[in-house]
Amino acid sequence: GNSVTQMEGPVTLSEEAFLTINCTYTATGYPSLFWYVQYPGEGLQLLLKATKADDKGSNKGFEATYRKETTSFHLEKGSVQVSDSAVYFCALSPPNTGNQFYFGTGTSLTVIP
Amino acid sequence: DAGVIQSPRHEVTEMGQEVTLRCKPISGHNSLFWYRQTMMRGLELLIYFNNNVPIDDSGMPEDRFSAKMPNASFSTLKIQPSEPRDSAVYFCASTPGGSMNTEAFFGQGTRLTVV
Repeated sequence: GNSVTQMEGPVTLSEEAFLTINCTYTATGYPSLFWYVQYPGEGLQLLLKATKADDKGSNKGFEATYRKETTSFHLEKGSVQVSDSAVYFCALSPPNTGNQFYFGTGTSLTVIP
Repeated sequence: DAGVIQSPRHEVTEMGQEVTLRCKPISGHNSLFWYRQTMMRGLELLIYFNNNVPIDDSGMPEDRFSAKMPNASFSTLKIQPSEPRDSAVYFCASTPGGSMNTEAFFGQGTRLTVV
C-alpha cells in the first residue's frame, strides 16, 4: 500500500539553527513526493516537490532529495527563521491514480528568536 | 485564478443541525478532494472526485456525511445531523487530474464548531 511516515513533533529551534524533518514512504510504483507547509489559520501550500529518484526539490532555502534506495524525502534548511514556524507535511502521489495524495501526520515547527 | 474557494470560513452550529460546506475548485481542474483536519487524527481524506464522479468515499466517517459535485465548478460536503465530534477544519483541494503528478491546491478551509 501507500503511506507516509514523518518525524513526530513538535520541533522547537532557535533562529539560524539547522532543520531536518524526516520523511519515509511506502508506495507502489514510483510516486511523486511533496512537502507542504501550513501557516497558522491557512490551508496547505506546496513548498517543494520531486517527481523521480535523485531529484532535489528546493524552495525558500528548503531542500529535499528523492532517495529511492532509502525510500526517504527528508526536509532540510540550513538556517531557519522565525517566519518558518508552521506545520510541515510530507506527501506522496502514486502514478496513474488521478492525483490521489497520501499525507503524513504533519510536524509542527516553532522557531524562537 | 483565485485559487480554491471555500465557504464559509467559519461555521458554528448546534448539535443536530444540518451543515453544508461549499467548494469551488480551480477552473480546469478535474480532481477534487475533501479533507478533515483535527489535532487527534491529523489530515484525513474523506472523499475525492474525478470528473465530477466520486471515486473513493471510504474516508467518509458515516452516513451522516455526504458529498456531491453537480458540476465541474462546485462541490458540497453535507453533515446531517451534526455532532460535536464533527468539529474540525475541513479543506477542499483540487488538481488537474490525469496521469501527471502535479501538486494539490488547497482552499483556506472551513472551521466547523458544533456545540
